[in-house]
Amino acid sequence: NAGVTQTPKFQVLKTGQSMTLQCAQDMNHNSMYWYRQDPGMGLRLIYYSASEGTTDKGEVPNGYNVSRLNKREFSLRLESAAPSQTSVYFCASSDWWGDNEQFFGPGTRLTVL
Amino acid sequence: RKEVEQDPGPFNVPEGATVAFNCTYSNSASQSFFWYRQDCRKEPKLLMSVYSSGNEDGRFTAQLNRASQYISLLIRDSKLSDSATYLCVVTLSSARQLTFGSGTQLTVLP
Repeated sequence: NAGVTQTPKFQVLKTGQSMTLQCAQDMNHNSMYWYRQDPGMGLRLIYYSASEGTTDKGEVPNGYNVSRLNKREFSLRLESAAPSQTSVYFCASSDWWGDNEQFFGPGTRLTVL
Repeated sequence: RKEVEQDPGPFNVPEGATVAFNCTYSNSASQSFFWYRQDCRKEPKLLMSVYSSGNEDGRFTAQLNRASQYISLLIRDSKLSDSATYLCVVTLSSARQLTFGSGTQLTVLP
């Protein structure tokens, strides 16, 4: 089992460009999450999907959109990238919403110039 | 004030030392408590849950003090492989979302 996979691993964008971060899990988990991690800030929740077909805003949703494509896949889209979105993005999944153990992907390091 | 606060460190300790980290949380309604471990440039992974009665997993001991709103992690007989950032995590029963501290960096020196 690969667990949680993310693509790409690294990305450099110019201000105003758009891109989609992909995430997939093969653990048959119901819930999936997108976080960003900035120095000194800890991980902050951007969006989550408690179950297939639902998505909800987390702590810092502005500038992002998500799609729960199916049970396995949860994508994060930046429509018009800004330098403030330079960060490391982690996707995670858990067996159910509220399950305390989340399994994280390896992360995407995004730089917006 | 941050919801979860940790001393960022770094803590540099020799192999075999005992080291302790504390974490404070601001919301008295916090329900569940955890320590996650994050290796350099890697993803976080659950290290252990923290129970009211305290719990131990090998060289690792976690304690919870609800009255003072802090949790602690004690690592005995430190190994080089313990070098990592340790993230304090709490949840509210109502929100059911993990709230992460910014982490405490530990380096175990040979």
